[in-house]
Amino acid sequence: GAVVSQHPSRVICKSGTSVKIECRSLDFQATTMFWYRQFPKQSLMLMATSNEGSKATYEQGVEKDKFLINHASLTLSTLTVTSAHPEDSSFYICSAVRGVKDNEQFFGPGTRLTVL
Amino acid sequence: DQQVKQNSPSLSVQEGRISILNCDYTNSMFDYFLWYKKYPAEGPTFLISISSIKDKNEDGRFTVFLNKSAKHLSLHIVPSQPGDSAVYFCAATYSSASKIIFGSGTRLSIRP
Repeated sequence: GAVVSQHPSRVICKSGTSVKIECRSLDFQATTMFWYRQFPKQSLMLMATSNEGSKATYEQGVEKDKFLINHASLTLSTLTVTSAHPEDSSFYICSAVRGVKDNEQFFGPGTRLTVL
Repeated sequence: DQQVKQNSPSLSVQEGRISILNCDYTNSMFDYFLWYKKYPAEGPTFLISISSIKDKNEDGRFTVFLNKSAKHLSLHIVPSQPGDSAVYFCAATYSSASKIIFGSGTRLSIRP
C-alpha cells in the first residue's frame, strides 16, 4: 500500500515560535505533495502545492512567508509555521501523489497544532 | 466561493438501513469526483470515486451516483454499519491537475 506519515502528530508551542511539520511518503516517491488545513467542523482547505525541486504554489490568501514549504526530496516535504500565533492553531494534513495517474493521492494522518 | 457543497452537516441512520450522502458542485470543469471518510484527528481515507464519463460506480456496500446535468452526486451505503460512523467528505478535481477541492463534510452517525 501507499503510506504517508506526518511528524509530529501533535505539537503545542508558545506564541511567536516556529514549528516544523514533516510529511513523508514511506513506500513511494512523490513529486507532488499537498498541504491542507482543517478548522474544527470545517472542510479541508488546500494551502499549497509542494513540488520537488521547485517553489511551492500557494493558494489565494495563504501567506507564503508565514507557511514555508520545502520539498527537499521525492519522499519529504516540510511545512514550517513561522512566528506562530493562536489563530494558526489547526489540524494540518499533507497528501502525496503517487505515480503519473491523476488523483492517486494519499493522505497523512495529520498534525494537530496548538499555539498558546 | 464554495465549489463543492455538502448541505447536510449531519445525518443519523439506523443500522442496516441505507445512508445517502449528497453533494453538489458548481464548477462544470470538474471531471473526477471522490468521497473520503475521516475519523477525528486522522487524515481522510479514500472511499470511492467516479469519473464524469460514468453515472454510477459501485464498490461493495458503497455506490456513488453522478448526475452531471444537475451537478449533483450522492454516496449510498447499504447496509449501514456502526463502523461507518465518521465524517464523509465529497471532493472534486480536474483531470489536468491533482488539486482536490473538498466539500464541508457530513457527519454520519449510525445508531443501533
